[in-house]
Amino acid sequence: DQQVKQNSPSLSVQEGRISILNCDYTNSMFDYFLWYKKYPAEGPTFLISISSIKDKNEDGRFTVFLNKSAKHLSLHIVPSQPGDSAVYFCAASFQGAQKLVFGQGTRLTINP
Amino acid sequence: DADVTQTPRNRITKTGKRIMLECSQTKGHDRMYWYRQDPGLGLRLIYYSFDVKDINKGEISDGYSVSRQAQAKFSLSLESAIPNQTALYFCATSESGTSDTQYFGPGTRLTVL
Repeated sequence: DQQVKQNSPSLSVQEGRISILNCDYTNSMFDYFLWYKKYPAEGPTFLISISSIKDKNEDGRFTVFLNKSAKHLSLHIVPSQPGDSAVYFCAASFQGAQKLVFGQGTRLTINP
Repeated sequence: DADVTQTPRNRITKTGKRIMLECSQTKGHDRMYWYRQDPGLGLRLIYYSFDVKDINKGEISDGYSVSRQAQAKFSLSLESAIPNQTALYFCATSESGTSDTQYFGPGTRLTVL
């Protein structure tokens, strides 16, 4: 039972354009969502998060949008840069659980 | 210096061998986690510990055991390794009373022949 799903295994975007990574979840109890970025031979690195009381959170080039009614979140990267090429994982948790449930990951490739 | 370290970084072993993966952290966090990553499956939780005397099974604990030797150290053991335990293993930490953000180590690539 995959509670957090990233349906696109890979995404290719031109440098300077917008990258949009998507994530869907099934458990309505989830109230905190995170995005992690992973380079080869390194551990996942926290990128940005959002609480369910918000529908948008922005940090520089990265913005996460949350649509609770659709149980969907997305990560926007504008403008995309070659260093953004990595695997991106979305994750979710609910209050007090202190456990994260991860999606399968999306490999983003930024082409020069 | 890295806040979360894992040893070894790479290990090749044979079926039936006992293997221990170690994790240490200097972040002062009380909560520690072990995950495995397989292609197409994301990160799956093996075990987690909220303090030294607290150990909990994750979604895929069969074939694994853990030991929390100190607040800063959390070890994962494969009692009798099998080929389908070939994977990337990650340790993570988080701080109680704050957000659920977890911080990961660099990973251990384990190959079981």
